[in-house]
Amino acid sequence: GAVVSQHPSRVICKSGTSVKIECRSLDFQATTMFWYRQFPKQSLMLMATSNEGSKATYEQGVEKDKFLINHASLTLSTLTVTSAHPEDSSFYICSASIEGGPYEQYFGPGTRLTVT
Amino acid sequence: AQSVAQPEDQVNVAEGNPLTVKCTYSVSGNPYLFWYVQYPNRGLQFLLKYITGDNLVKGSYGFEAEFNKSQTSFHLKKPSALVSDSALYFCAVQTGANNLFFGTGTRLTVIP
Repeated sequence: GAVVSQHPSRVICKSGTSVKIECRSLDFQATTMFWYRQFPKQSLMLMATSNEGSKATYEQGVEKDKFLINHASLTLSTLTVTSAHPEDSSFYICSASIEGGPYEQYFGPGTRLTVT
Repeated sequence: AQSVAQPEDQVNVAEGNPLTVKCTYSVSGNPYLFWYVQYPNRGLQFLLKYITGDNLVKGSYGFEAEFNKSQTSFHLKKPSALVSDSALYFCAVQTGANNLFFGTGTRLTVIP
């Protein structure tokens, strides 16, 4: 149980284009989803927290107009990287948690974004 | 403010020997503590957590961790390391709001 999927697993796009990454909870309803970014050989940095039906809460330093997050349903959240640039190349990981705890987050397998 | 420290970037251990991956934390209030493992180009897999109760927590794949409040530590341990345990290990702390704060990670290499 508690499986989270991400699609695509890997994407290469040209500079200036937009890329959408999907995060789905497959066998549970996720009231909260999280988006992380991980640089090579570094830890995960929380980008934003999204609750179903409301606007995402972005961490300091994360541009909300560049990283658009939509949490349209209890099983789906999307991250759109708009006007991507090479510096946006990274490993993006989503996670989901279930309302009421025990606060465990279930992580997706990640999406490797390469902007050329 | 909460923070997590993993003082060792790299830990090497011989197969069959016990392993320890260190983690210390700083948080106001009662912490929820987690260990996750990451294999190359993969997301994080949950190993174990401490919420309350017994300070010794047993988790997946034979791993365990001990919550030590006085030393604000939550070291990950395994009695006998396997080559397949080689991976990147993250300690994380959570306080309210479900936000996880991760340490910088420790790369464990188990030598055959």
